[in-house]
Amino acid sequence: DVVMTQSPLSLPVTLGQPASISCKSSQSLVHSDGNTYLSWFQQRPGQSPRRLIYKVSNRDSGVPDRFSGSGSGADFTLKISRVEADDIGVYYCMQGTHWPPTFGGGTKVEIK
Amino acid sequence: EVQLVESGGDLVQPGGSLRLSCAASGFTFSSYWMSWVRQAPGGGLEWVANIKQDGSEKYYVDSVKGRFTISRDNAKNSLYLQMNSLRAEDTAVYYCARGYRPGDYWGQGTLVTVSS
Repeated sequence: DVVMTQSPLSLPVTLGQPASISCKSSQSLVHSDGNTYLSWFQQRPGQSPRRLIYKVSNRDSGVPDRFSGSGSGADFTLKISRVEADDIGVYYCMQGTHWPPTFGGGTKVEIK
Repeated sequence: EVQLVESGGDLVQPGGSLRLSCAASGFTFSSYWMSWVRQAPGGGLEWVANIKQDGSEKYYVDSVKGRFTISRDNAKNSLYLQMNSLRAEDTAVYYCARGYRPGDYWGQGTLVTVSS
């Protein structure tokens, strides 16, 4: 199975400041159809996961534009341009290129 | 509005069985692959199984193969997960999610606890 490694495990942030989460896969996530199936999910405390980004850099409907995804191959990043209090929670990357889909271990974003 | 509502979670003894349900609304259920994803207490996410629109294809993570069965009833807009031979390590919140790859909509989850 493809291993997804996120860093850091914990990310203390200052409100209004940027934040960045890294996700690396054990093999390239470029699918034979040409797409790269890398998604990012946010899980607020006590809630179910919510998808923010799909296919590396596409924001889901209703996701603020302060969230952006980038990367290629086996190296990906989720950036929050200006962290708000509403952004606290755990963030997961997920690959859907190779079967079975696998998730990263999560990055906990908390306010300093 | 898209809604996915899971039910059926409970406390069950090791070796027991449980059937989870997921009621879908707000979209054409029969047009989508559907998935189950679980999350152990305090842990990360693990994809469990998925099923094609017409139920003709089903896939499972290795750890549940032969014990869990995913199914659907498009007339009832419902997804199911039959779980047999349950083990302590199956203890988790189980989410249903829309999509071949768990995607844009998830339910609130239902808790399965396997313990004597």
